[in-house]
Amino acid sequence: TQLLEQSPQFLSIQEGENLTVYCNSSSVFSSLQWYRQEPGEGPVLLVTVVTGGEVKKLKRLTFQFGDARKDSSLHITAAQPGDTGLYLCAGYNQAGTALIFGKGTTLSVSS
Amino acid sequence: GAGVSQSPSNKVTEKGKDVELRCDPISGHTALYWYRQSLGQGLEFLIYFQGNSAPDKSGLPSDRFSAERTGGSVSTLTIQRTQQEDSAVYLCASSFDGMNTEAFFGQGTRLTVV
Repeated sequence: TQLLEQSPQFLSIQEGENLTVYCNSSSVFSSLQWYRQEPGEGPVLLVTVVTGGEVKKLKRLTFQFGDARKDSSLHITAAQPGDTGLYLCAGYNQAGTALIFGKGTTLSVSS
Repeated sequence: GAGVSQSPSNKVTEKGKDVELRCDPISGHTALYWYRQSLGQGLEFLIYFQGNSAPDKSGLPSDRFSAERTGGSVSTLTIQRTQQEDSAVYLCASSFDGMNTEAFFGQGTRLTVV
């Protein structure tokens, strides 16, 4: 069974701080996706990383895919209250029939 | 509509009753997924449809749960004889072809079993 483990589970920081969220697995994934979910809404895709070692930047968010394609990280620079939410990593199972999610990191940024 | 639509948005039901949750995917999307999310938790996969067939039902937690999809479009998730542990948010997602593509989610149905 392919599992994705995220850490930390909860993160509470002040505006302007930097943070990193991790997503790890013992399985290889062809790609990993990062979603952000706000209360009362469904998850929304932020980015998909496909190539081992790949780094993608989305404004203040930097996503990295591990060389072995078993792990990924999300780094936020100078966090803002608008970054508050549940961050989820996800990857398709080997059969391509299910998008498997980690349990998520709940981020709270206070001003 | 432009996005994935789910109804109802909230459902309160008595223990033992049956409920039906509806999902309208994005037009043209052949892949459709159902997930369950407990408070503050990640998403638990329930079932995957490609067209009208369900090649992966491995996430359905018991035989009280079933789902169907008709016309390659609307899907219904049915929970029979609901239990309190069924209380959760049920999310539906669709993607263009299910082949490692982006999944678009609805806002979910919050089910409360009392």
